[in-house]
Amino acid sequence: AQSVTQLGSHVSVSEGALVLLRCNYSSSVPPYLFWYVQYPNQGLQLLLKYTSAATLVKGINGFEAEFKKSETSFHLTKPSAHMSDAAEYFCAVSERRSSASKIIFGSGTRLSIRP
Amino acid sequence: KAGVTQTPRYLIKTRGQQVTLSCSPISGHRSVSWYQQTPGQGLQFLFEYFSETQRNKGNFPGRFSGRQFSNSRSEMNVSTLELGDSALYLCASRPGTSGGLQETQYFGPGTRLLVL
Repeated sequence: AQSVTQLGSHVSVSEGALVLLRCNYSSSVPPYLFWYVQYPNQGLQLLLKYTSAATLVKGINGFEAEFKKSETSFHLTKPSAHMSDAAEYFCAVSERRSSASKIIFGSGTRLSIRP
Repeated sequence: KAGVTQTPRYLIKTRGQQVTLSCSPISGHRSVSWYQQTPGQGLQFLFEYFSETQRNKGNFPGRFSGRQFSNSRSEMNVSTLELGDSALYLCASRPGTSGGLQETQYFGPGTRLLVL
């Protein structure tokens, strides 16, 4: 069965500092991997997704993530945090099948930015 | 293009009542999925509809049901509401024509349901 584990329910960084949100997945076959962001009282917005051979995935708002099969990880990074990055971030996984429709989400990491 | 819209945005019901939530997907999208988000259980997949047929479902009791209309709009119904059904219900749409979840899935703002 597929699953994702997000390490750290709450991460706090200073404005301008590196953002690193950790995600490890469990899947018997290479999955699709996603990072979503949720701002207060809003739905989910896709930041980036890994669906092909390129292991370094660039997303919106300066975020990127690297798929590491040997470590079963898909950590999210951003070189310099901005106050507007404060939100909850979800790592997610789905099967690599054309008929797949279920996304399994991690428990989320709340990112706070200190001025 | 307009995004995914959900109505109503907020709803208060009492135990035992039933509720119907509505989702209008992005124009041209034929797949609509529903998710429940709670502080305790996180985000959980409810079901997916494509061309008026349920294509996949999660592990929820039969009190949770849905349907999709010919214009791809979808409704979700919860009967005999319980306190634990209080949650943010999110709808997501994607074209649904190929590639499974390689297609980007777009989420609506959600309907926040409070059961008293």
